[in-house]
Amino acid sequence: DTEVTQTPKHLVMGMTNKKSLKCEQHMGHRAMYWYKQKAKKPPELMFVYSYEKLSINESVPSRFSPECPNSSLLNLHLHALQPEDSALYLCASSQAGQGNAEAFFGQGTRLTVV
Amino acid sequence: AQKITQTQPGMFVQEKEAVTLDCTYDTSDPSYGLFWYKQPSSGEMIFLIYQGSYDQQNATEGRYSLNFQKARKSANLVISASQLGDSAMYFCAMILTGNQFYFGTGTSLTVIP
Repeated sequence: DTEVTQTPKHLVMGMTNKKSLKCEQHMGHRAMYWYKQKAKKPPELMFVYSYEKLSINESVPSRFSPECPNSSLLNLHLHALQPEDSALYLCASSQAGQGNAEAFFGQGTRLTVV
Repeated sequence: AQKITQTQPGMFVQEKEAVTLDCTYDTSDPSYGLFWYKQPSSGEMIFLIYQGSYDQQNATEGRYSLNFQKARKSANLVISASQLGDSAMYFCAMILTGNQFYFGTGTSLTVIP
């Protein structure tokens, strides 16, 4: 099973709403990632969790709040977003540490902020 | 600083021909991994191939091969016998110690019938 599952696939939210994106994997990977991708651009790293601890925060605004409740789940809580936050949000997982040979992505959540 | 460089914004290839997509990288970390992903218009990021910095042989996966030249810090993707379904964005990515996982700017490949 090399599947990373993201829900929902599409999300439309208002600027005052609170919503959450979810990501799940059962490959035993201990590193999980959130990326933001705008159209025709590469994915931009937002957060990395390693062994359920936040290890990298790429200066992401506080209106994005990550959470890693256990080794299989990763959430991204959204609050007071701006229209420019509309993008494809991708979750990935990999083996933690050096010599990573596996890194898989979910299908993404297409977020529209209105 | 940009660690992954893909210098070909767009490439065209005739169906059934081979094509090489370029990727160079920059790191002083002796341990790293290099990936290639395909992203069709649907948005999913599809894993194609992986090369570890200590791997002696070039990685191959079916029609995909990675031409790894460590001294030149290049990791080019070769797609043999191109198919119409290969038309997509292709991203080179590098993972470093501490799970720092970054992408290049991508190459848009179009396969011509």
